[in-house]
Amino acid sequence: DAGVIQSPRHEVTEMGQEVTLRCKPISGHDYLFWYRQTMMRGLELLIYFNNNVPIDDSGMPEDRFSAKMPNASFSTLKIQPSEPRDSAVYFCASSFTGRTEAFFGQGTRLTVV
Amino acid sequence: LAKTTQPISMDSYEGQEVNITCSHNNIATNDYITWYQQFPSQGPRFIIQGYKTKVTNEVASLFIPADRKSSTLSLPRVSLSDTAVYYCLVGLLGYIPTFGRGTSLIVHP
Repeated sequence: DAGVIQSPRHEVTEMGQEVTLRCKPISGHDYLFWYRQTMMRGLELLIYFNNNVPIDDSGMPEDRFSAKMPNASFSTLKIQPSEPRDSAVYFCASSFTGRTEAFFGQGTRLTVV
Repeated sequence: LAKTTQPISMDSYEGQEVNITCSHNNIATNDYITWYQQFPSQGPRFIIQGYKTKVTNEVASLFIPADRKSSTLSLPRVSLSDTAVYYCLVGLLGYIPTFGRGTSLIVHP
């Protein structure tokens, strides 16, 4: 397996624009996580899915953020409208039930200007 | 989730052994201790997990005393490429990984 695949690797957008981050988890994994990492706040869990169903989105900062998982092999994190304070590295990770080991993608570095 | 405390940063030199200690005084009976490593510009990577005593793999060793209120990640003979942030996590098997600030290890030539 190629691991968790995220796209794009880098995204620069203007304030107010919609941003969509994409993730392909490892095949067979039933948990998918979205994290955000900044110098100020460290690595924060935004939302996670189990079997494509959102379980806990309490980490999503605002209504401007939304996440979907239409099938077992694809998830999106959308920010609309984007703001400069959303600039961060966004990681997607997946794991298998009963295992603590989560596999992370390479991340998407988002810059909102 | 059990709260963990670990040093913010550590410095070492190539070839030395590095020990990073994590305190988790309120660890529960069924909790496991897991360590992740994060290199610059990459996502965290699982490196080792244990419940008690000692666990060793090709990357590191994990020492857990009998009371399990702390754990020590040991990296033998570090190299420059071991420069990374190391995170200690405590929770049930299969729990949702929640990360603290970790320990930033810098290995000097």
